[in-house]
Amino acid sequence: NAGVMQNPRHLVRRRGQEARLRCSPMKGHSHVYWYRQLPEEGLKFMVYLQKENIIDESGMPKERFSAEFPKEGPSILRIQQVVRGDSAAYFCASSPTGSRDSPLHFGNGTRLTVT
Amino acid sequence: AQTVTQSQPEMSVQEAETVTLSCTYDTSESDYYLFWYKQPPSRQMILVIRQEAYKQQNATENRFSVNFQKAAKSFSLKISDSQLGDAAMYFCASRGYQKVTFGIGTKLQVIP
Repeated sequence: NAGVMQNPRHLVRRRGQEARLRCSPMKGHSHVYWYRQLPEEGLKFMVYLQKENIIDESGMPKERFSAEFPKEGPSILRIQQVVRGDSAAYFCASSPTGSRDSPLHFGNGTRLTVT
Repeated sequence: AQTVTQSQPEMSVQEAETVTLSCTYDTSESDYYLFWYKQPPSRQMILVIRQEAYKQQNATENRFSVNFQKAAKSFSLKISDSQLGDAAMYFCASRGYQKVTFGIGTKLQVIP
């Protein structure tokens, strides 16, 4: 059973470009979460999606950031006009349900570097 | 709202010894779960152990066990017989309705 797949593993973008991060959840999982990790700051919640719906985007900046989880295909975290402060590791996690006892299963993350 | 606090940025333990990592949390929810995750240098987040808030019995997974003190909102992780492979960042997390909140992590060093 394949785990959560994230790609690319590393992404380098110049300031002003767009970054698209992809996440394929585990088979049978319809709930996807995106987190950002900065050194000394742990994992910061960004957005929680269920198939075709954004459930909670309270952790995602209002500008330049968007996320989707279409009926078919991976979840996408999109960052437009990237700035140096966007450099971080971005983790995707999935769970089969949204219930409290359902642990998150994480991908290996995408390290975004903005030059 | 949920908050998770890990007050030990770094800890070290001698191989084969026991170490305890601290975690406190705050939540307005009555039904929640608590988790410990391990992140080795490979960056993969690995679930170590979980605890249901309604269960008084502390969870145990092989060499890993928790000390869950609900009234004090404390959820510490004990690692017995530490091994070199235990060296990693450890994150405490609280899962309530919809959201999972993580602490900032504790870096564990295992000394041979």
